[in-house]
Parts: sequence; C-alpha cells; structure tokens
Amino acid sequence: GDSVTQMEGPVTLSEEAFLTINCTYTATGYPSLFWYVQYPGEGLQLLLKATKADDKGSNKGFEATYRKETTSFHLEKGSVQVSDSAVYFCALSSTGNQFYFGTGTSLTVIP
Amino acid sequence: EAGVAQSPRYKIIEKRQSVAFWCNPISGHATLYWYQQILGQGPKLLIQFQNNGVVDDSQLPKDRFSAERLKGVDSTLKIQPAKLEDSAVYLCASSPPITWTEAFFGQGTRLTVV
Repeated sequence: GDSVTQMEGPVTLSEEAFLTINCTYTATGYPSLFWYVQYPGEGLQLLLKATKADDKGSNKGFEATYRKETTSFHLEKGSVQVSDSAVYFCALSSTGNQFYFGTGTSLTVIP
Repeated sequence: EAGVAQSPRYKIIEKRQSVAFWCNPISGHATLYWYQQILGQGPKLLIQFQNNGVVDDSQLPKDRFSAERLKGVDSTLKIQPAKLEDSAVYLCASSPPITWTEAFFGQGTRLTVV
C-alpha cells in the first residue's frame, strides 16, 4: 500500500543553519506530495505541496522538489530561525484523496 | 474563510466512560477525515467520509469507536467505552471535491483517559 518514510528526529540546529529533512514515498499511481507543520498544541498546517513530478513546492523559505526517479520529497531551508521550531510531517495523497503521513520530525532551532 | 472547527479542545475522562467529539468542516468540503495522533507519532486515519458516505473506516476500532456525518456537513466521533490507550489528539480535517488537493486540519481535541 501507499506509505511515507521520513527522517527520524529530533533535529537540533543553530539559528541560520541549513535544514534538510528526508522523505521518501511508496505509491501506486501518481500521488500529490505535501509537507505539513505542527506547532505545539496546534493542528497541522500545510507548509507546501507538489502535485506532479519535478514540481517544486515552496513557502516561507522552505522548498521541496517532487523526484519521481528517487521517490523522494526532501524538505530544505537555507537558514532556519527559532520560529521554525516545530514538528514537520511529510504526506502523500493518492486516488480518492486518501492521505498517508510520515511519523514526523521534530525540529528545535537554538539561538 | 473559516477553518475547520473542533470541540472541545481538551477532555479528561476516566476509563470505561464515553466521550464525543464534534467537527464542523470548511463550507463546501465534501470529504471529512478523523485522525488519531498519539504523542510522538504521525496522524493515523480513523475514518474518511465523502459527503455522508463512508469511504474508509478500515482502521476504526468499531467495537468502541463510532462516527457519523449527518447531512454531509458536521461530524461526531464517539468512543464508548474509553481505554487508557485512547489518550491522543483527535484531529478532524476536510478537503474540497478536487482530486489531489490538500487537507485542512482543525486544532484537534486532546483526550486524556485516566
């Protein structure tokens, strides 16, 4: 079945460091791919998405490229801020709008 | 536009008691989801509705959990009787009738079973 595997955490970075969180997926067909962010005590918020191969999603300095050949959708940011501290979830949406989430990666950015 | 509304935000109950959660999706969203998120884990789908029909409830523990979506709008998720392992955040989400679009999440209900 469809599934998402993402990098285990937690990740701790200093402010202005480069961030990469790895995500790979398994899916039949052509899924859409998403990164969601969850701040403490809140629900999930969409961070970015890509709906077809080679699409790049971007938002708030974060980027991820839909790589069909490597079945990956890695999240990157060139310079993290303390306010980026949160849990990040990779997800895919398959036929029928069924969503599958990874286990989440906790990011802490220290000043 | 208004987001997905959930209530209550927090609930503490004793094991073997019953509890109900309510969700009002974004207007016009045909698909509604209930997820269970245990601390430190990703959301796990419990049930997915398309209008008022069930699309997927394969991971819903039907001996104790039930959900309904009357008139294809609001939804209620019930647990009866609750167990300690039901302690989690219950997230409601909705999505519009467009293929491969994102899901929009509510703030969740944090349930603690003691």
